[in-house]
Amino acid sequence: DQQVKQNSPSLSVQEGRISILNCDYTNSMFDYFLWYKKYPAEGPTFLISISSIKDKNEDGRFTVFLNKSAKHLSLHIVPSQPGDSAVYFCAASAPGAGSYQLTFGKGTKLSVIP
Amino acid sequence: DAGITQSPRHKVTETGTPVTLRCHQTENHRYMYWYRQDPGHGLRLIHYSYGVKDTDKGEVSDGYSVSRSKTEDFLLTLESATSSQTSVYFCAISPDRVNRNTEAFFGQGTRLTVV
Repeated sequence: DQQVKQNSPSLSVQEGRISILNCDYTNSMFDYFLWYKKYPAEGPTFLISISSIKDKNEDGRFTVFLNKSAKHLSLHIVPSQPGDSAVYFCAASAPGAGSYQLTFGKGTKLSVIP
Repeated sequence: DAGITQSPRHKVTETGTPVTLRCHQTENHRYMYWYRQDPGHGLRLIHYSYGVKDTDKGEVSDGYSVSRSKTEDFLLTLESATSSQTSVYFCAISPDRVNRNTEAFFGQGTRLTVV
């Protein structure tokens, strides 16, 4: 049973436009969420995170929104650039015994078209 | 980049042979993790360590063992490799539990092929 779901395997966006990547979760215990970006043949790199006490976190061109009642979060990239083309993973953790690990979604491959 | 080195970066091995992957960090972080990445599965936790000689199982630990005799090194061993263990393996480190507003930093990965 997948606890973190990224239902769109891929997304194509024109350069300069907004990219919106979505993530849904089923475990109501999750209270900390992260987005990682991964280029081919490299390890994932941390992008942005959000705690469940917030509903929005911004860092430059990247904004993450959290809707706890819907168990949904999204990553907005504005404006999108060709260098943003990568696989994006949503991840979550829970307090207590779950705080040692991240549970990842399957990833969304973003292609930004020049 | 966080100081994480995985070795080897690529390995081809035969079914039934033992394999050990090494993760070395220079950040003095307490927590270390081994994940595997497979198509259609994202990243899944194999084992983690919360201190020297302190380890625990993750989601997909069957067929794997780990050891941490020093803060800086975390070893992943496949006692008898099987084709289902063909994967890309990532080591990660973090200074605190990932739930405490901290993130995990990942190594470059080891591509393991079991033939």
